[in-house]
Order: sequence, then structure tokens, then C-alpha cells
Amino acid sequence: DAKTTQPPSMDCAEGRAANLPCNHSTISGNEYVYWYRQIHSQGPQYIIHGLKNNETNEMASLIITEDRKSSTLILPHATLRDTAVYYCIATSGSRLTFGEGTQLTVNP
Amino acid sequence: DAGITQSPRHKVTETGTPVTLRCHQTENHRYMYWYRQDPGHGLRLIHYSYGVKDTDKGEVSDGYSVSRSKTEDFLLTLESATSSQTSVYFCAISDVFSETEAFFGQGTRLTVV
Repeated sequence: DAKTTQPPSMDCAEGRAANLPCNHSTISGNEYVYWYRQIHSQGPQYIIHGLKNNETNEMASLIITEDRKSSTLILPHATLRDTAVYYCIATSGSRLTFGEGTQLTVNP
Repeated sequence: DAGITQSPRHKVTETGTPVTLRCHQTENHRYMYWYRQDPGHGLRLIHYSYGVKDTDKGEVSDGYSVSRSKTEDFLLTLESATSSQTSVYFCAISDVFSETEAFFGQGTRLTVV
């Protein structure tokens, strides 16, 4: 699995878009990019995943650069409940390897 | 919410005793996983299973064993618990990997004294 690099922490104002970057410069062609988040001490929650194309669902949008070496998770209108640790994972197999993630704090 | 249940949710045990944690699913998913999470860190994979009686090691498998005798249950055993195994343990399930997401249980907080 490709190594991913994320900033350790980010802040965002409530109601604004939160843009969380992830670098995966060694990603291979068959590896997907997954995003999960973990709120407080709960089990991680799936957000979105993609291979090449940008993806959008009811929670977020995933923008993957054309060379696939980086991606950005976008929460369009962050709320206080979006405060969590966000994990970016690149994998082609059946295992998810978690890094340290980004602590996103949404401020009132 | 996906049907995944971990038991017990909390346990305190003494050093040197065996401990078994259970993960039960009602989704009939193929893959099951055990992770541990220590304070301030991400999850680390202990063992996983890709079918009944089919298991493999993760990155921190030493001191742990697993068994999966039926699709719905995945057991994690600490043969002789040590204080370094004090952690929060998460079970996860997934089906066709690249097409669906993994679902996580609520975790088991294990303290070894």
C-alpha cells in the first residue's frame, strides 16, 4: 500500500468548506484512495473512496489530481459534528492501513 | 448501521491471563479484521480473515491469535496478556473490497493490570 501523508491538524469555521489534503505520491495504478473519519473514540466511519475520477456523495467530495499523487477531501459546509480525525488510505488489497490522520477541529 | 457487535465492550484482566474478544456480524461479509488503537495513534492491523478458517497476520500480530470457524464470528485471543496489550480493540467487516466500505464496531477497551 502506498504511504500517505496528511497534516496533523487543521481548523475550519462552522459553515465553511473544509479541505483536507493527502499526499500519496507513490500510489500505484490499481490503488484506491479511501477516506475514513473517527469521531472521539468511536469506530472509524467510511466517508468516500475513488480511483481516478472525482467522487461525490452525501457526506463529501473527493478530488484526485490527474497524476493521482494527491487528493483532497472536501466537506462543503462543515458543522461542529464534523470535528474528528480524518484518515486518508491508499490500498489495492483487502486491508486498510491507517496513518496518524488529520485532526479537524470545526470552530463556532 | 451495519450489524457488527463486539464483546465485551470493557474488560480488565491481569497480566498473564488469557483473554478472548469476540466480533459478531450479521451482514455475511467475507472479510473481518482486528485492529488496536493506542492513545493518540491511528489504528494498527493485528489479524484479518478472508473467509472461514482463512486468516492472515497484520502488522502487529505478535502475542495474538485469531480464529474464524463460521462466517459471522471472528475471535481475537491474547494467549497471555501483557500490559503492552492495554488498548482499544476494533473489529471491522467488509465485503467486495474495492466496491464497498468497511464497517467498524464500537470497540473493546482492554486494560491489563
